[in-house]
Amino acid sequence: QVQLVESGGGVVQPGKSLRLSCAASGFTFSSYAMYWVRQAPGKGLEWVAVISSDGNNKYYADSVKGRFTISRDNSKNTLYLQMNSLRGEDTAVYYCAKDLKIAVAGTGQFHYWGQGTLVTVSS
Amino acid sequence: QSALTQPRSVSGSPGQSVTISCTGTSSDVGGYNYVSWYQQHPGKAPKLMIYDVTKRPSGVPDRFSGSKSGNTASLTISGLQAEDEADYYCCSYAGTYTVFGGGTKLTVL
Repeated sequence: QVQLVESGGGVVQPGKSLRLSCAASGFTFSSYAMYWVRQAPGKGLEWVAVISSDGNNKYYADSVKGRFTISRDNSKNTLYLQMNSLRGEDTAVYYCAKDLKIAVAGTGQFHYWGQGTLVTVSS
Repeated sequence: QSALTQPRSVSGSPGQSVTISCTGTSSDVGGYNYVSWYQQHPGKAPKLMIYDVTKRPSGVPDRFSGSKSGNTASLTISGLQAEDEADYYCCSYAGTYTVFGGGTKLTVL
């Protein structure tokens, strides 16, 4: 069965960096676009970033552009999110998610989600 | 990258039907047939309920249905049950980005 397991969350000071990982299993990881989606405490869902199945195309929400970098290692079935220059408003549960369809670019439809990892940005 | 517009809350009694609207623009909802809906219970990860505007993943009851007209998508839940009480989010592909609605809290009275 499909499993997505995030790790790397924690408490970090403003301006610092953190790297999240998402270990995938139960499907052909290299065939699907992958995403990071976040949810601030008590708030709604916010799309953060997408990476194509081959890793060649990456797109970001305006709120994180220039600070966050999404990447993947298809040999390790792992998705990453490097978060730099963290701000208080980045405090959220971060979910990794798998696209619904086999397509290089993805369809923006999230078939499976991880359990999420909490990132708290605070001094 | 503006969020899609959903009502903050809707409610209905068991057995009734409710519809949640989701309004975007021609750049997102109106421009693509990749509109999806997610159900989220407190403390849980979201669950895909509708994809490609109208399709249901395996295991989702046929009480859940989706539609779209122009720049507005809708989720209808018929025969409301207590376990349907949750937050619901619409979502649309928009080419180089994906955008969610603000979420709607469904209360089953």
